[in-house]
Amino acid sequence: AQKVTQAQTEISVVEKEDVTLDCVYETRDTTYYLFWYKQPPSGELVFLIRRNSFDEQNEISGRYSWNFQKSTSSFNFTITASQVVDSAVYFCALSEAWASYGKLTFGQGTILTVHP
Amino acid sequence: DTAVSQTPKYLVTQMGNDKSIKCEQNLGHDTMYWYKQDSKKFLKIMFSYNNKELIINETVPNRFSPKSPDKAHLNLHINSLELGDSAVYFCASSQEQDSNQPQHFGDGTRLSIL
Repeated sequence: AQKVTQAQTEISVVEKEDVTLDCVYETRDTTYYLFWYKQPPSGELVFLIRRNSFDEQNEISGRYSWNFQKSTSSFNFTITASQVVDSAVYFCALSEAWASYGKLTFGQGTILTVHP
Repeated sequence: DTAVSQTPKYLVTQMGNDKSIKCEQNLGHDTMYWYKQDSKKFLKIMFSYNNKELIINETVPNRFSPKSPDKAHLNLHINSLELGDSAVYFCASSQEQDSNQPQHFGDGTRLSIL
């Protein structure tokens, strides 16, 4: 069975600080996909990134970066120089390649608050 | 041009009533989903349809009945609403039912049962 754990329930930082959101996953599948979604206060869910299990390259997109480590089953998300607009709930999610038919299993979410 | 649109955005109703939530996507995707987000923000899949065919039914009470008249629409009908049904319901779509496809979500429907 697949499982995603985001141990940090809430994080509070001051603008311009760097912040890392942790994500640990469990799966028996050898091929799987990991995702991050952002849910701002307005409520919609915004897709941020997808990572394949066979591609451990880290990725950077502007102030966002993702660190995927299969050895520790982690897919952590770092925001550099945080801004107030980054305040949101962030979800890590997993989808197994075999017979899950696209089913996303989400972590509990991390509430990030960035103070001015 | 909203990619995945849900109506209504808010729904307030009494226990025991029957209600429907509509979802439409204009992305040309083959697969659509319903997720439920509870008061603790936990998101859980309920159903998915691929080309109008039910693919995932995640042990949801049979008071919930999804209907897909075509691959661009996936509606959710709920009978005999209960207090525990209060939640935000999200519709999503993806290109195919493959697990590597990112899902695009609607803005959610906040259902409140009085």
